[in-house]
Amino acid sequence: EVQLVESGGGLVKPGGSLRLSCEASGFTVSNGWMSWVRQAPGKGLEWIGRIRAKIDGGTTDYAAPVKGRFTISRDDSQNTLYLQMNSLKTEDTAVYYCSYRPSWGQGTLVTVSS
Amino acid sequence: DIQMTQSPSSLSASVGDRVTITCRASQDIRNDLEWYQQKPGKAPKRLIYAASSLQSGVPSRFSGSGSGTEFTLTISSLQPEDFATYYCLQHNSDWTFGQGTKVEIK
Repeated sequence: EVQLVESGGGLVKPGGSLRLSCEASGFTVSNGWMSWVRQAPGKGLEWIGRIRAKIDGGTTDYAAPVKGRFTISRDDSQNTLYLQMNSLKTEDTAVYYCSYRPSWGQGTLVTVSS
Repeated sequence: DIQMTQSPSSLSASVGDRVTITCRASQDIRNDLEWYQQKPGKAPKRLIYAASSLQSGVPSRFSGSGSGTEFTLTISSLQPEDFATYYCLQHNSDWTFGQGTKVEIK
């Protein structure tokens, strides 16, 4: 059974950085295409970006609002996906989910506020 | 970028009603469309994949149809546990979600 567990959320000031983790079990992260999705309070779902499987090059794609600020990576030895978030803005406040379709984690809340 | 236009944004319905939600893609996405249900405080749950295939374990009152640019999610007989927000997701080119449809009790 696929399970995804996010961690690393919290309160951070505008301009700050945070790294989210998504620990996977039931599959090997390097073998899958994995995505990060966020949901601002009371709003809809927004795709942030993805990393391709190693066999497909392991490259990444990002949505325009986070391109150049966020980086997706993985640690195969830890079977974990990461989201490095830099230059955070108040509008980045959201619950962040990792996904390996059709599975989703439970989400972790990131609050960007002074 | 592919845009997804989902309608309606909300609807009120009674138990037993037939409910239809529509998503329109800004360009041909073949059948690369999924439907998700989300309840407050929970992660989305996939209902339909490949536009019309029912996810294992999902009740048969849920169905999906369409291809190309027009897609529909139908709930044939609304049950109390179906009151939630529904999203379409295209994965033909990156991912794009529809704006969501909140299904409320009439």
